Amino acid sequence: QTVVTQEPSLTVSPGGTVTLTCASSTGPVTSDYYPNWFQQKPGQAPTTLIFSTKFKHSWTPARFSGSLLGGKAALTLSGGQPEDEADYYCLLFYGGAWVFGGGTKLTVL
Amino acid sequence: QVELQESGPGLVKPSQTLSLTCSVSGGSIRSGNYYWSWIRQPAGKGLEWIGRIYTSGSTNYNPSLQSRVTMSIDTSKNQFSLKLSSVTAADTAMYYCVNSGGVWGQGTMVTVSS
Repeated sequence: QTVVTQEPSLTVSPGGTVTLTCASSTGPVTSDYYPNWFQQKPGQAPTTLIFSTKFKHSWTPARFSGSLLGGKAALTLSGGQPEDEADYYCLLFYGGAWVFGGGTKLTVL
Repeated sequence: QVELQESGPGLVKPSQTLSLTCSVSGGSIRSGNYYWSWIRQPAGKGLEWIGRIYTSGSTNYNPSLQSRVTMSIDTSKNQFSLKLSSVTAADTAMYYCVNSGGVWGQGTMVTVSS
């Protein structure tokens, strides 16, 4: 069974930079996995931040960026804001099926 | 801007079939090369991909749910649907519909209980 692994929790200082990662049990993550990143605040539906590794939606704040880093998909937040405190999920494509990571709880403190 | 809205019974008995519909507004379900997905989230837990359907009717399902899942699409009603059979308490979750353009519905809570 394919497992997608994220850091369970991370902390960033206001105005600081943090990188969340997303690893696959099958090996290095490449653009062929079309990594997606989602943000979910308490009591709300998730929102899509990044698709296909690095592409942003019109509603994605500029301070978020997606990339591949060291064999993993990565979501970087540059200049964290209090409103960025949330759960973040990655999603990877495995030839027809998608698998979510377990999520990262990001604290801005 | 496309909007999605889930609907369906909030309570389903064990062993019965869960049926949900996602209504698409602000655009045609046939436009573009979108696919339409269902995702669920048990309370306090992470997201689980259930499956997706293209406008053509082609589907992909989560292997762990494949034997119980059926998705369909009704372009005349601008809706797509999810059926999950033989439900148990483990299927209790918030169910979301999502399109490949990144738009999520608000979700609908489904509880499996007698």
